[in-house]
Amino acid sequence: AQSVTQLGSHVSVSEGALVLLRCNYSSSVPPYLFWYVQYPNQGLQLLLKYTSAATLVKGINGFEAEFKKSETSFHLTKPSAHMSDAAEYFCAVSTGSARQLTFGSGTQLTVLP
Amino acid sequence: NAGVTQTPKFQVLKTGQSMTLQCAQDMNHEYMSWYRQDPGMGLRLIHYSVGAGITDQGEVPNGYNVSRSTTEDFPLRLLSAAPSQTSVYFCASSSRDRTYFGPGTRLTVT
Repeated sequence: AQSVTQLGSHVSVSEGALVLLRCNYSSSVPPYLFWYVQYPNQGLQLLLKYTSAATLVKGINGFEAEFKKSETSFHLTKPSAHMSDAAEYFCAVSTGSARQLTFGSGTQLTVLP
Repeated sequence: NAGVTQTPKFQVLKTGQSMTLQCAQDMNHEYMSWYRQDPGMGLRLIHYSVGAGITDQGEVPNGYNVSRSTTEDFPLRLLSAAPSQTSVYFCASSSRDRTYFGPGTRLTVT
């Protein structure tokens, strides 16, 4: 069985500040890991994915995440927040492929002017 | 290339009514799935299919039915709607490396 824990259901940062969204996973086999973003009243858009290649993964819109096996973590970061980053972010895990995803409960990111 | 399409976008049902949420993909993916999204709970898998004629249950299958007669289409049926099924429903289509989501159907059951 696999699971995902996202610490912090709401995170607020000032525009220009570092964004750090936390994700810890549990998986009995080497995982595939994903971050998705959801803007209000829209579907989910893939930000980035880890599929057992490089542990530091770069995604769209300046986001990146680092896979740390020893900490079972896959935290999402962005050096400088922009107002347009305000959205809900979901971490997800799967095993062996990108197909059957298990999602975390989500983190709502607010960017303050 | 439309990706994953879902209809309708919004639906209001009365308790006990039935309906079908439609989903189609044009990427020739074998794997398709349905999720529901509820506040504070992320997305939870309802049913999935690994190809035409093959379906299986996910985490929260009760009250829902699926079939897969073609590669392109994967409809989700609510047999007798209940207020607990008020949610946003997402259809997804997956290759080995990536899952693509539809725009969602917002369902309210009164």
